[in-house]
Amino acid sequence: DTAVSQTPKYLVTQMGNDKSIKCEQNLGHDTMYWYKQDSKKFLKIMFSYNNKELIINETVPNRFSPKSPDKAHLNLHINSLELGDSAVYFCASSQSTRDRPYEQYFGPGTRLTVT
Amino acid sequence: SQQGEEDPQALSIQEGENATMNCSYKTSINNLQWYRQNSGRGLVHLILIRSNEREKHSGRLRVTLDTSKKSSSLLITASRAADTASYFCATWMDSSYKLIFGSGTRLLVRP
Repeated sequence: DTAVSQTPKYLVTQMGNDKSIKCEQNLGHDTMYWYKQDSKKFLKIMFSYNNKELIINETVPNRFSPKSPDKAHLNLHINSLELGDSAVYFCASSQSTRDRPYEQYFGPGTRLTVT
Repeated sequence: SQQGEEDPQALSIQEGENATMNCSYKTSINNLQWYRQNSGRGLVHLILIRSNEREKHSGRLRVTLDTSKKSSSLLITASRAADTASYFCATWMDSSYKLIFGSGTRLLVRP
């Protein structure tokens, strides 16, 4: 009965490859997020979807493309991976809307290592 | 730049002592949230305090918010070894869809 799940947990790949990370939440939330946590533990939002609509798109390279097939899923596809993409990627979900913010529930993270 | 800055960056205390972490932010907020992250895990929400609240309690946690100083503190009383983790404050700005996270405080509770 995991609330927010991500797959895979670990991902090791070579530069130039394309990879995807999947996220699913069973909390019935309308809003989902992708965060990137770097080696210094700094957590930065990348994207957010509300009811399958993209509402936050931070300054992220075009090589990163989120896709939300339905409210419960938010996937992250990364093209032409670079060394600097190595990080831990977290998915999160929330009931939040613009004017009614609530807490967020995080997945366990996907540790991406690009060699 | 990031909205929240936390102080100290690292804190080491003995089990049973209290731990206090501080967070400062720059712009007006709707609410401020504290999260815990155990090593190799995702973040877990601890407490949310709204801009019109000054203090909130949850078990051994006490959070204060001073909007005039744009700062918050998290107090963990009677700490336990299991409290060892990184603690992050995060602010939700008015009319925004996003949380901005601070740099975190690494807490080590020695048994």
